[in-house]
Amino acid sequence: DAGVTQSPTHLIKTRGQQVTLRCSPKSGHDTVSWYQQALGQGPQFIFQYYEEEERQRGNFPDRFSGHQFPNYSSELNVNALLLGDSALYLCASSFRKDGSYEQYFGPGTRLTVT
Amino acid sequence: GNSVTQMEGPVTLSEEAFLTINCTYTATGYPSLFWYVQYPGEGLQLLLKATKADDKGSNKGFEATYRKETTSFHLEKGSVQVSDSAVYFCALSDGGYSTLTFGKGTMLLVSP
Repeated sequence: DAGVTQSPTHLIKTRGQQVTLRCSPKSGHDTVSWYQQALGQGPQFIFQYYEEEERQRGNFPDRFSGHQFPNYSSELNVNALLLGDSALYLCASSFRKDGSYEQYFGPGTRLTVT
Repeated sequence: GNSVTQMEGPVTLSEEAFLTINCTYTATGYPSLFWYVQYPGEGLQLLLKATKADDKGSNKGFEATYRKETTSFHLEKGSVQVSDSAVYFCALSDGGYSTLTFGKGTMLLVSP
C-alpha cells in the first residue's frame, strides 16, 4: 500500500514566480492537509481539503491556495513567491475512524525561493 | 490560541542512556496529544498518541503520559539507540478536523 506521495521532491523558484505542489493521499483517505515547515521550526497548518472544498484554513495569506480533485489528490499553489516562502511543504492525508482522524505525512517538497 | 512548547535541543546522549524530552501545551478544551518523529530527509511519522487525560501512549520503547493537571506530555525512553537519532515533535489536535499544532521540535543525537 503506497503511502502519501508528493511531487516534486525539490524545487527552486525566483521571487515573484508561482509554484504548484502536488500530493496523492494514502489509499482510502479522503482528507488532505498542507503544512509549511520552515528550517528549524515545527510544521504550521496551511489548510485542509475535504470533498473538494477548503474546510479549514490556518493563518496564511491568500497567495496560498489549493485544490482537491475527485480522486482526493490535491495541489498547493503559491503566487508571488517571497524569500520567506522557502520551506519544506508537507502534505498529510487522513480519514475519520472511530470519531477521530489520524494524519499520515508524505516526505515533503523542499521549495527554495531565490 | 493553541500552542506547544518543547525543550530546546540538541539533546546529546550515549547509547543506552535514559531519554526525557519535555513538552507542555496550551489549549482550549480537551486536546489529543501526539509525538511525531522526523528522520533526516524524511517526512513526519507518528510515534505515539494519547486522546484523554491519564492515557499513556507507547510505541517502540517510547512512552508519554497525558497529564492534564500540568498540561504536559513528556516523551521518555529507558534506553536509547543510535537509530533513535532524529527530530521529535510534540503536537496537539483540539478535535474538529484534527488539524495539528506543533512544537518547534527537539533534535536527539545518540552516540555509540
